[in-house]
Amino acid sequence: DGGITQSPKYLFRKEGQNVTLSCEQNLNHDAMYWYRQDPGQGLRLIYYSQIVNDFQKGDIAEGYSVSREKKESFPLTVTSAQKNPTAFYLCASGGLRETQYFGPGTRLLVL
Amino acid sequence: AQSVTQLDSHVSVSEGTPVLLRCNYSSSYSPSLFWYVQHPNKGLQLLLKYTSAATLVKGINGFEAEFKKSETSFHLTKPSAHMSDAAEYFCVDYQTGANNLFFGTGTRLTVIP
Repeated sequence: DGGITQSPKYLFRKEGQNVTLSCEQNLNHDAMYWYRQDPGQGLRLIYYSQIVNDFQKGDIAEGYSVSREKKESFPLTVTSAQKNPTAFYLCASGGLRETQYFGPGTRLLVL
Repeated sequence: AQSVTQLDSHVSVSEGTPVLLRCNYSSSYSPSLFWYVQHPNKGLQLLLKYTSAATLVKGINGFEAEFKKSETSFHLTKPSAHMSDAAEYFCVDYQTGANNLFFGTGTRLTVIP
């Protein structure tokens, strides 16, 4: 069953806490992306990685960090510096000009 | 500047009637345009994409879109709405210069039985 998996489905963050969202793909794509979705808005790019061990900031990278140690995995950490983290987070893989394949998303809530 | 404008935030249609979701783009160069669908609490799924081959693009689930350069539009249509079409729809533009995707703010489609 090929595709992208994200976990957990729901995540709760306490004040001052860092949390990590998981994203795994078995589509053999070089490029992976993290988007943030807020109600009534389109998706906004947080970080992207074109290849292993390389990643670039997107439009709203402040308060987030990523790593890309393996082709299949692109975890996103929401740090305590992100003051408004409540959102729906979507991971995707594929080319920007080609079809992007999205995971089912993680909803992050603040306690 | 906003690259993609979805003209309606919410569209309601009766089951069996036509669907029209409007999108205007502002790319200067030949754009790559996409329509994605998102069901509640799910990821996005590609419906169709335009990459300068044919101006009328057919997608999955009976949807199609027509690229009109003179109107800078890429409206999504379906002849007959089904209950399962109720979802959020996003128009997306790939801009070569920015090497980035620009998402519209989405149109929520409600299908009334």
